Amino acid sequence: KAGVTQTPRYLIKTRGQQVTLSCSPISGHRSVSWYQQTPGQGLQFLFEYFSETQRNKGNFPGRFSGRQFSNSRSEMNVSTLELGDSALYLCASSLENSLGETQYFGPGTRLLVL
Amino acid sequence: DAKTTQPPSMDCAEGRAANLPCNHSTISGNEYVYWYRQIHSQGPQYIIHGLKNNETNEMASLIITEDRKSSTLILPHATLRDTAVYYCIVRPRGTYKYIFGTGTRLKVLA
Repeated sequence: KAGVTQTPRYLIKTRGQQVTLSCSPISGHRSVSWYQQTPGQGLQFLFEYFSETQRNKGNFPGRFSGRQFSNSRSEMNVSTLELGDSALYLCASSLENSLGETQYFGPGTRLLVL
Repeated sequence: DAKTTQPPSMDCAEGRAANLPCNHSTISGNEYVYWYRQIHSQGPQYIIHGLKNNETNEMASLIITEDRKSSTLILPHATLRDTAVYYCIVRPRGTYKYIFGTGTRLKVLA
């Protein structure tokens, strides 16, 4: 079974631009979560989607948004990029993200904002 | 608001068992403990998880104390490829998110 895939793997943008990152979960998984990893803040939860609905949101500004499609694929968007948005963005999927279930992470998208 | 505490770094000789401790003293009744590792900023790799009983799989063993306030991940025969940052995670009840702490940087020495 194929794992979680994320595209693109690397991205360079300039301040003020916007960016869209994509995540394809493991086949059959309906929950997709997004995390941001930076050297200063570590791994932080962004949001979680299940059946096209956002169920949980982390403490990030409104510039960070996401959505999930009917095939469970998910995208996250960051508008008006800032230098501090440079990070590794990770996507994780699970069947339903219920208690005791495991989330499986993708390889991440490394975003550099200049 | 990390719910876990881990030592920042540990060394282990190749071929020996690596024992990585984690404190989760505020864990609630139905919150699971998960362990992941991350190698060279790749995506975190799932290792094992448990609720109250000890668990073992092909990668590792998880020992959870009877009061569930701490746990230990055991890599029985560490290899150089086990060098990574190991995260002990508790998913807060009623949420769908993992809260990552700073993890333990394990270095396996030849």
